[in-house]
Amino acid sequence: DIQMTQSPPTLSASVGDSVTITCRASQSINSWLAWYQQKPGKAPKFLIYKASTLQSGVPSRFSGRGSGTEFTLTISSLQPDDFATYYCLHYNSYPLIFGGGTKVEIK
Amino acid sequence: EVQLVESGGGLVQPGGSLRLSCAASGFTFTAHFMEWVRQAPGKGLEWVGRIRHKAHGSTTEYAASVKGRFTISRDDSNNLLYLQMNSLETEDTAVYFCARGPSAATENFYYPMDVWGQGTTVIVSS
Repeated sequence: DIQMTQSPPTLSASVGDSVTITCRASQSINSWLAWYQQKPGKAPKFLIYKASTLQSGVPSRFSGRGSGTEFTLTISSLQPDDFATYYCLHYNSYPLIFGGGTKVEIK
Repeated sequence: EVQLVESGGGLVQPGGSLRLSCAASGFTFTAHFMEWVRQAPGKGLEWVGRIRHKAHGSTTEYAASVKGRFTISRDDSNNLLYLQMNSLETEDTAVYFCARGPSAATENFYYPMDVWGQGTTVIVSS
């Protein structure tokens, strides 16, 4: 199985900061990577697919990059609504695997 | 409005069974693969399994942790998705989400879960 290693587990930042989350795959997943945002007690919200394509309605301060085994999610100019946990997901092959998550908290 | 609503969660003893349902509305259910994802308390997301649509034989895929114990099925006439869970273990305690998977409109079905239900809670405990 492909393993997904997400870092850092926790990230402390302030409103207006730019933050980057990294997701590494144990083998190439081409660009078949998605990002989700989840708030406590809620379902995940779909942000990005194919590594860098923004889902409709997602603010442009979110961006994704990468291919192969290394991927990043960048949130430029953090807003109060962005404090949440973020997960990457590979959908290159079975089983689909999520990264362990990155909690973005207020500094 | 595209919507997924799960039901059927509850408290069950180890070794017991439970069937979860997911009612879909607002989109062409028969065109989409459908997924189940779970989240144990305080933990991350775990993909449970997928069912393809009828055109792909309604075939299924499962995570190793549930294979042989869980069965995903669908009722296309009523836009319903099911998760039959047998031989439940305490480690199966989680919130279970149904999610919409890819359709033929996506790139060779390489597309992630885009719409999620609110989840239903399963507690396996004696």
